[in-house]
Amino acid sequence: DVKVTQSSRYLVKRTGEKVFLECVQDMDHENMFWYRQDPGLGLRLIYFSYDVKMKEKGDIPEGYSVSREKKERFSLILESASTNQTSMYLCASFTSTGRTGELFFGEGSRLTVL
Amino acid sequence: AQKITQTQPGMFVQEKEAVTLDCTYDTSDPSYGLFWYKQPSSGEMIFLIYQGSYDQQNATEGRYSLNFQKARKSANLVISASQLGDSAMYFCAMRRPRGGYNKLIFGAGTRLAVHP
Repeated sequence: DVKVTQSSRYLVKRTGEKVFLECVQDMDHENMFWYRQDPGLGLRLIYFSYDVKMKEKGDIPEGYSVSREKKERFSLILESASTNQTSMYLCASFTSTGRTGELFFGEGSRLTVL
Repeated sequence: AQKITQTQPGMFVQEKEAVTLDCTYDTSDPSYGLFWYKQPSSGEMIFLIYQGSYDQQNATEGRYSLNFQKARKSANLVISASQLGDSAMYFCAMRRPRGGYNKLIFGAGTRLAVHP
């Protein structure tokens, strides 16, 4: 069974802290994504990676960075957390060889910044 | 610019009845894909159904069907015989026509409540 695992389901951090959100997939997918989910706004793409060490900005990259040192792992980094980054963060992966090209998602990481 | 609109923030339906969740999209590209995802309270996004812009027939997957009206740019999800376990958030999404890598654009979502 395909699996995308996000390391932390719930985090509480203070303003200014550095935050790491980790995501691991076991499907050998080339492409990985980080989305942010907010009520009334749906999911918005922060960053994505199409290969190891390769990344591209999504629609809302400001305040975030990413790291992909290994194919199975994609990390989202908040260099200095702010209260407006309180949100649900969803990691996803995808392979171009899939039948429909759907994204496979993790269970999400709910971050609260105080 | 590409956009997905879900105009129903919340819906409720009686168990065993059918329900339609609305989705309209905006794109000028002839080639695109449309997805529906379900998000239960656990948080995980579950893929339900896919419709390609060139598919001749409406997609169906078990109790889910997609009412694809290309001229109206709508891709409504129909859930037949609702079950209590269908209570969740539902998101419509579109694969961006350009740029590759399957970056999806999502709508704001519709929260469905199924009542016994």
